Amino acid sequence: NAGVTQTPKFRILKIGQSMTLQCAQDMNHNYMYWYRQDPGMGLKLIYYSVGAGITDKGEVPNGYNVSRSTTEDFPLRLELAAPSQTSVYFCASTDRGVNEQFFGPGTRLTVL
Amino acid sequence: GDSVTQMEGPVTLSEEAFLTINCTYTATGYPSLFWYVQYPGEGLQLLLKATKADDKGSNKGFEATYRKETTSFHLEKGSVQVSDSAVYFCALKHNAGKSTFGDGTTLTVKP
Repeated sequence: NAGVTQTPKFRILKIGQSMTLQCAQDMNHNYMYWYRQDPGMGLKLIYYSVGAGITDKGEVPNGYNVSRSTTEDFPLRLELAAPSQTSVYFCASTDRGVNEQFFGPGTRLTVL
Repeated sequence: GDSVTQMEGPVTLSEEAFLTINCTYTATGYPSLFWYVQYPGEGLQLLLKATKADDKGSNKGFEATYRKETTSFHLEKGSVQVSDSAVYFCALKHNAGKSTFGDGTTLTVKP
């Protein structure tokens, strides 16, 4: 199992550009999450999904969009990049019950 | 709603010192409790977990006991190493899948 994979690892964007952060998992998990982690800070939930076709906002959804057309994939879209979106983005997945969340390696995004 | 409160960091210890990182929670029902560790430049990974009251989770010399009466899940290690330097996150999860994380505690261990 590859677990949770994220691409790209690093990206620099100019203000106003758009991009999609990719996330995939091969564990057949229903639940998937996007977090951002600013330097020296904890995790903030951006969006989450409880299954294919279902998404919902987390704490900090402004400036982002998501879709969940399959169980495996959960891409995060930034439409008009702003310097405030400079952060490290983590995708995670889990299932119902007592198991933990599995995290991807992260995407480090800088907006200049 | 649910919440997790961790002791504030950063925490700096000498090698072989005893470690305690406090974690308390507020939640309805009976969540599972977790400690995750994040090494520099990496994602979070599970360190240990406990799924019901009085359970003790353990891994790599770290331990934590699920205390329902004090709503706590404190992380301990008897003798820390330089390689334990990382950020530690306490978290809870209900069966429905959503997790709540603490803000993280940065541990630095000096030789």
